[in-house]
Amino acid sequence: ETGVTQTPRHLVMGMTNKKSLKCEQHLGHNAMYWYKQSAKKPLELMFVYNFKEQTENNSVPSRFSPECPNSSHLFLHLHTLQPEDSALYLCASSQERTGQSEAFFGQGTRLTVV
Amino acid sequence: AQSVTQPDIHITVSEGASLELRCNYSYGATPYLFWYVQSPGQGLQLLLKYFSGDTLVQGIKGFEAEFKRSQSSFNLRKPSVHWSDAAEYFCAVGAKGAQKLVFGQGTRLTINP
Repeated sequence: ETGVTQTPRHLVMGMTNKKSLKCEQHLGHNAMYWYKQSAKKPLELMFVYNFKEQTENNSVPSRFSPECPNSSHLFLHLHTLQPEDSALYLCASSQERTGQSEAFFGQGTRLTVV
Repeated sequence: AQSVTQPDIHITVSEGASLELRCNYSYGATPYLFWYVQSPGQGLQLLLKYFSGDTLVQGIKGFEAEFKRSQSSFNLRKPSVHWSDAAEYFCAVGAKGAQKLVFGQGTRLTINP
């Protein structure tokens, strides 16, 4: 398998549930990202991990909890979400060297909070 | 702060016609610029990128873009669109490449047969 793979592709959860989104990259990259894509809004960068260390948290509410156990895997743990958190969550990865890097995206997880 | 404006929310063109999607950015230094395409229910695919050098950049699927510093623009062009080009197109600027990408709101492209 190649590229960036996200599971599940679709998720419906209640506001009191706890669930996790998974992202795996098979590109040998050293940086991974979570983005949120809501209707009628630009993509929002949520978290950045470089070499498994979180280097950016873009003022994301604590009900979203990322985890990066190694450079190939990234998780987004969800708990007590709100309906406005319904969105497409995109994972991406890049190979960081000189700053001239490009992001490769997964297909996303469509999350619906009911 | 970086920002990206895509003035056209939705564009409709006929198959075979030429296409230009507009992108204006705001950034204090030389930006890294990207165009991505997203088909329904899919992730984003990189069409092309500009880091430095030649201001006319060639990408995949017959797309090209031109960086114009004086106009703070990075417009995407294609001489002849195909029905399969129908998708949403996103312009992005990155101060440090992929590390701090800021996206425009996107332009949805519809192709008339």
